[in-house]
Order: sequence, then structure tokens, then C-alpha cells
Amino acid sequence: GEDVEQSLFLSVREGDSSVINCTYTDSSSTYLYWYKQEPGAGLQLLTYIFSNMDMKQDQRLTVLLNKKDKHLSLRIADTQTGDSAIYFCAERSFSGGYNKLIFGAGTRLAVHP
Amino acid sequence: EPEVTQTPSHQVTQMGQEVILRCVPISNHLYFYWYRQILGQKVEFLVSFYNNEISEKSEIFDDQFSVERPDGSNFTLKIRSTKLEDSAMYFCASRGTDNEQFFGPGTRLTVL
Repeated sequence: GEDVEQSLFLSVREGDSSVINCTYTDSSSTYLYWYKQEPGAGLQLLTYIFSNMDMKQDQRLTVLLNKKDKHLSLRIADTQTGDSAIYFCAERSFSGGYNKLIFGAGTRLAVHP
Repeated sequence: EPEVTQTPSHQVTQMGQEVILRCVPISNHLYFYWYRQILGQKVEFLVSFYNNEISEKSEIFDDQFSVERPDGSNFTLKIRSTKLEDSAMYFCASRGTDNEQFFGPGTRLTVL
């Protein structure tokens, strides 16, 4: 079945770049997403990438997709304290039932001065 | 900017009671979802709904669960007889014709 794995914690200094990594198992994944969850809040869609793309950039966010290795990453440039949150990777695939998203466990990003 | 809303933000109930969680999806969206997140665990898919019927459901979504879109704007999740293990954050989501699935702020359900 489908599975999405992420490292649980990442600590970075303010102003540095953060790179959050994710691996997925379903090679039929069509779209891969990054969501942000701040304490006590819902899931905010940050960005997503279609599986025929290698890279997508949106302001401070860069998504890289290595389809061969089934590896997705989210780079946050110039990380700020407001970026402290849990970041979830999610995949949407045909084999998983085209409607649903499969989420990773989330990476807690801590930004320190 | 349009957003998905959910009520209540927190629901406390006794085991065995029925609860209804309410969601108002984004108005021109066609696909509706419920997910849940047990504390410290992954966000899990429960059910998807399209064209007034369930299009997919997970193993979690057993006979105790039901969904309804009673009036063209609300989308509800009913749990008939709650169990302790139903305690979780429940998220509603909706999607239009593109690929962006937007989530509500969640309802925290506590079953005592």
C-alpha cells in the first residue's frame, strides 16, 4: 500500500535555509503536496507539484521532486520564526483511490535565533 | 479569500452518545472530504463525497459513521455511538475542479 515517510524534527537558525524531506512508495502518485500546521490550527496548503515536474518555486519555497527515488523535498529560504510549525507531505495517487490524500507523520520545524 | 469553516471547534461528549460535526466547504467546490488526526499520529483519510454520494471510504469509516450534505452548503459527519478511540481532531476539506484540497481548522472531539 501507499506510505509517506518524513523525518520528525528539524531545527534551524533564523535566516538559514530549511530543507524538509519526504519519501513516498506509490509510483503512480500524480500530485504531491506540502501542508503547514501551526499549533492549534488546521492544515494550510503551501504548494503542490505534479509528478511530471522536477521543481516548482513559489517565493521562498522550492519543491524538488525526484520521481526515480520517490523523494520530495521542501526548501524554505531565509527561514523566519513564523515558519515554526509542522510540515506535512502528502501524496495523491490513482492506486490509492484518486480522491484521497495520504499524509506523512509531519516534520516539526523549530526556528531559533 | 474563501475558506472552509467547521463547527464546533471543540466537542466533548460521553461514550455512546451521537455527535454531528459540521463543515461549510468553499462554495463552488464539488468534492468534500473528512480526515482525522489522533493526537500524535498521522492525518488519516475517512471519506470522500461527490455528487451527493460517498465516492470512497477508508476502513475507519464503519457503520458508526455517516456523512450528509443536507442543504447544499453544509457537509456533516455523524458518529452514531462514540467510542473513546474516536477522540481526535476531525478535519473537513473541499476541492474544486483543480488539484488544491483546502482544509478547515478542525473540530477537536473528546470522548469521555
